[in-house]
Amino acid sequence: AQSVAQPEDQVNVAEGNPLTVKCTYSVSGNPYLFWYVQYPNRGLQFLLKYITGDNLVKGSYGFEAEFNKSQTSFHLKKPSALVSDSALYFCAVTKKGSYIPTFGRGTSLIVHP
Amino acid sequence: GAVVSQHPSWVICKSGTSVKIECRSLDFQATTMFWYRQFPKQSLMLMATSNEGSKATYEQGVEKDKFLINHASLTLSTLTVTSAHPEDSSFYICSARGRLEVHNEQFFGPGTRLTVL
Repeated sequence: AQSVAQPEDQVNVAEGNPLTVKCTYSVSGNPYLFWYVQYPNRGLQFLLKYITGDNLVKGSYGFEAEFNKSQTSFHLKKPSALVSDSALYFCAVTKKGSYIPTFGRGTSLIVHP
Repeated sequence: GAVVSQHPSWVICKSGTSVKIECRSLDFQATTMFWYRQFPKQSLMLMATSNEGSKATYEQGVEKDKFLINHASLTLSTLTVTSAHPEDSSFYICSARGRLEVHNEQFFGPGTRLTVL
């Protein structure tokens, strides 16, 4: 079975500071990892994904994530947070041949002016 | 590309009525569509997976007679909440996977807020 853990319900950061939203996963075989963002009363928007290749993946809106196989992590990062980044962030994992992802419970990111 | 729409974006109905939610892939053929339910401040709960032209596969604990899913074409899937009750109030999100998607990516609709009075 595959699983995703987002250990923080909420992350608070000041505008302009770097942000990190944590994600660890468990899956047999090579993982496919995704980050999505959800604004209030909206569906999920795709940010980035890791399938293979470089461990550092760059995505939309200046976000990036680093795949760390030894730590089974895929933390989301941004060098300088914006107030408009405040939203709910979901990490998801699946694998080749399995097209139903498992989502983490979500982390609420709050960026203070 | 890869746009998924949902209609309506919100609906309020009386208890006992049925509500239909549409999910459309606008610029690609969706061989598989997924229906999720999301409670406030919680993650997405997969309700069912539907492949075009075949019956939906429901997750454990989801009543198939309560939540009717139809995937009649490669661009449209519908979720009908039958005899809705207040506990069915939730945010329903669909997603779609295309024929050529090799990396298991799903494209999500904007969601539908259902409120049952």
